[in-house]
Amino acid sequence: AQTVTQSQPEMSVQEAETVTLSCTYDTSESNYYLFWYKQPPSRQMILVIRQEAYKQQNATENRFSVNFQKAAKSFSLKISDSQLGDTAMYFCAFMKWGDDMRFGAGTRLTVKP
Amino acid sequence: EPEVTQTPSHQVTQMGQEVILRCVPISNHLYFYWYRQILGQKVEFLVSFYNNEISEKSEIFDDQFSVERPDGSNFTLKIRSTKLEDSAMYFCASSPTESNTDTQYFGPGTRLTVL
Repeated sequence: AQTVTQSQPEMSVQEAETVTLSCTYDTSESNYYLFWYKQPPSRQMILVIRQEAYKQQNATENRFSVNFQKAAKSFSLKISDSQLGDTAMYFCAFMKWGDDMRFGAGTRLTVKP
Repeated sequence: EPEVTQTPSHQVTQMGQEVILRCVPISNHLYFYWYRQILGQKVEFLVSFYNNEISEKSEIFDDQFSVERPDGSNFTLKIRSTKLEDSAMYFCASSPTESNTDTQYFGPGTRLTVL
């Protein structure tokens, strides 16, 4: 079974600084997808970024980028120039081809002014 | 931009009552999902639905749960006899591809409170 681990329950960062959220996963699959979702206080799940395992290039979406280390089964999220609106729970998720999505326990990020 | 919608945003019910949570997936999507998130806990998969039948379900999705796509737009989750522990946020999601390998787009969730 696939498991997703987020080892940082809570993190904080000063506005405009950079923060990295960690995620590791366990799988024997070679083809899969990884995601980061943001859950603000409204509790809506918002897709932040997505990575296909077969792609070596790290995904980037504006201020959000990932460091995907397939051999180490690591998928960290870097948020640059943090903004107050980035305050939220962040969930790492894994999905193998043809299967359901598995979520980590989440990291609560607080951006301080 | 198209989005998944869910109604109601908040439902309060008495233990033992039936509830139906409604979702309208993105119109050209083919795979549909329900997830739940008990307060303070992780998001858990309940069920996936494709081609008018359940594709996969978790151990949480027992006989008190059912899903249906009654028309071309709605996707519902029914809980037959609610229990206190069913109190959670329920998320619907949809995915555009047949192979279930693409991104899932989540609705805003329905907060279910069982008293």
